[in-house]
Amino acid sequence: GNSVTQMEGPVTLSEEAFLTINCTYTATGYPSLFWYVQYPGEGLQLLLKATKADDKGSNKGFEATYRKETTSFHLEKGSVQVSDSAVYFCALITGAGSYQLTFGKGTKLSVIP
Amino acid sequence: KAGVTQTPRYLIKTRGQQVTLSCSPISGHRSVSWYQQTPGQGLQFLFEYFSETQRNKGNFPGRFSGRQFSNSRSEMNVSTLELGDSALYLCASSLGDNSQTQYFGPGTRLLVL
Repeated sequence: GNSVTQMEGPVTLSEEAFLTINCTYTATGYPSLFWYVQYPGEGLQLLLKATKADDKGSNKGFEATYRKETTSFHLEKGSVQVSDSAVYFCALITGAGSYQLTFGKGTKLSVIP
Repeated sequence: KAGVTQTPRYLIKTRGQQVTLSCSPISGHRSVSWYQQTPGQGLQFLFEYFSETQRNKGNFPGRFSGRQFSNSRSEMNVSTLELGDSALYLCASSLGDNSQTQYFGPGTRLLVL
């Protein structure tokens, strides 16, 4: 079956620090990969996605590259802000036209001024 | 364009009761998916509906059911509630095309006493 493993949190960083959240996956077939973010008291928002190997998804300064050889999709940001404090979820979908997301456990990020 | 709306936002029930949650997708979206979020199990896929038909179902007991109406609005029902059903229930809508991009609502928080 499908599974996603993310680094355990919480992660606490100072403003302007570099962020990396590791994500690796196991999938049957060729997955599409996603990062979602959840702010306190809200639902999930799609942050970025990649659908094939070596694709780089990017949004709001966040980036992640689909690495098929290492089955990874690590999230990075060069300079975090207090407003980036949230829970980040790595997720995948397999199967054309499927909408069944498999999520990692989530990583809570806190950015302090 | 209005986002995904879920009603009610909060709900308290007692064991053995049943509950119905509602989700209105973004206008024009034909696919609706449901997820359960708990601290222990994380985010888990319940089911997905497209054009009033269930296309996919997660690994949940038959007490969990859903349906979709002709206007794409969806409801999920949980019968014979158990304490472990306490969770945040998230609905996500999408066009139903191959983009696999889902837009989440704010969720309904269910507490079972």
